[in-house]
Amino acid sequence: DAGITQSPRYKITETGRQVTLMCHQTWSHSYMFWYRQDLGHGLRLIYYSAAADITDKGEVPDGYVVSRSKTENFPLTLESATRSQTSVYFCASSGTPYNEQFFGPGTRLTVL
Amino acid sequence: GDSVTQMEGPVTLSEEAFLTINCTYTATGYPSLFWYVQYPGEGLQLLLKATKADDKGSNKGFEATYRKETTSFHLEKGSVQVSDSAVYFCALLMDSSYKLIFGSGTRLLVRP
Repeated sequence: DAGITQSPRYKITETGRQVTLMCHQTWSHSYMFWYRQDLGHGLRLIYYSAAADITDKGEVPDGYVVSRSKTENFPLTLESATRSQTSVYFCASSGTPYNEQFFGPGTRLTVL
Repeated sequence: GDSVTQMEGPVTLSEEAFLTINCTYTATGYPSLFWYVQYPGEGLQLLLKATKADDKGSNKGFEATYRKETTSFHLEKGSVQVSDSAVYFCALLMDSSYKLIFGSGTRLLVRP
C-alpha cells in the first residue's frame, strides 16, 4: 500500500531490552522524522534524516538510535528500554524540507 | 527558542456550535504555520496551513488566519459536528529548519 506505515502498532517490553520500531514510506521522500507523543508535551522530535545515511538529533534523542540505509526505511532502536520511554511513537516523512509532513499511524510502546 | 502555545482542553461543545481554538507562537523569523488533527487511534493529518502573514488556510469548514501582529493562528469552525471530535495540534516550521515544533494539543469533544 502507498503511504507511510509503522510496525508494530503495539509493543510491550521489559526494562533493559532492545526494541526496534520500523517505519516505511513509499513516496521516496527524502526527509523522515521520529516523534514521541506524551500527554502534556505534544509531539517532540527524537531524530530526523535528510537522506539515506544522513541523520541528526532532535529535541529528545537520549536512549535512541536510528539508521537510514535505504531512503524508504527509517528504523528507531531503543538500545536498553526504560519506563520513561513508554510513549506513542510517530514516524513522518516529507518530500521537501520546509513543507508539510505526513505521519504514520503510530506505535504504542509500553515498557514494564 | 521557537515555541507554540495552545489553549488547554478539553473543549466541549454541542453540535453546530462555533469553535475557536487559540494558538500563539514565538519565533525569531517568519515561520509557516500548520494545524494538524489526530482522530482517536490514528496518526496526525494535516488540516490546513499558511505560509506568510495574512494568509488564510481553510479545509473541511475549518479556517485559520496567520496574524503576524499578534503572533497567532487561531483555528475556527462555524458549526462543529460530532465527527470533529479529535485532538488538534498547532505547529510551526521555520524557513531555516525542517523541524516542526508542535503545541501540546487541544482535545475537542462535540456532543450530539
